[in-house]
Amino acid sequence: DTAVSQTPKYLVTQMGNDKSIKCEQNLGHDTMYWYKQDSKKFLKIMFSYNNKELIINETVPNRFSPKSPDKAHLNLHINSLELGDSAVYFCASSQDSGSGANVLTFGAGSRLTVL
Amino acid sequence: GQNIDQPTEMTATEGAIVQINCTYQTSGFNGLFWYQQHAGEAPTFLSYNVLDGLEEKGRFSSFLSRSKGYSYLLLKELQMKDSASYLCAVMDSNYQLIWGAGTKLIIKP
Repeated sequence: DTAVSQTPKYLVTQMGNDKSIKCEQNLGHDTMYWYKQDSKKFLKIMFSYNNKELIINETVPNRFSPKSPDKAHLNLHINSLELGDSAVYFCASSQDSGSGANVLTFGAGSRLTVL
Repeated sequence: GQNIDQPTEMTATEGAIVQINCTYQTSGFNGLFWYQQHAGEAPTFLSYNVLDGLEEKGRFSSFLSRSKGYSYLLLKELQMKDSASYLCAVMDSNYQLIWGAGTKLIIKP
């Protein structure tokens, strides 16, 4: 059983299109995250949800909209895709968000290529 | 600003020992994490340090000095499968993770 699963694994699309990436976790965790990893391998937090409530919303364009229908799911919708959106997007989850030993479990990543 | 520094790349020989350093400057400190990331895969948790000293876990050990803003990950008896990137991350006073860019470790036979 995959703990954090995200789909699709690969996504190739044209500039200007709209796309979604889905994420589900079966760990019973309360907090879920979206990270972006660019070509330089920096992991940058985009959003974090705790029990379906948005708790972190870093400075990302409002073309990116997260949606959490329940605490086991966190989807990412991207409008009007741009070349600079090409990256690997990782979903992750953790038991909670407000403690030190907050270990993240990551999904396998979704590689987005915008042409 | 907040900053995590670690070497971009290191090379070591199979069977040897390697130490990957990480220095940090953050707004507060609530622990330091090491994650391993194989090429094309997800990061996976290796270790967590919140108090000064050495934490040993099999072939891997992690050290922390809060006064120096410094940590290292020590890998012993290197195996080819240890070729990966090693990411250092610090949890700041707001319980947000600040990530380093990772150290790519290349193991040669």
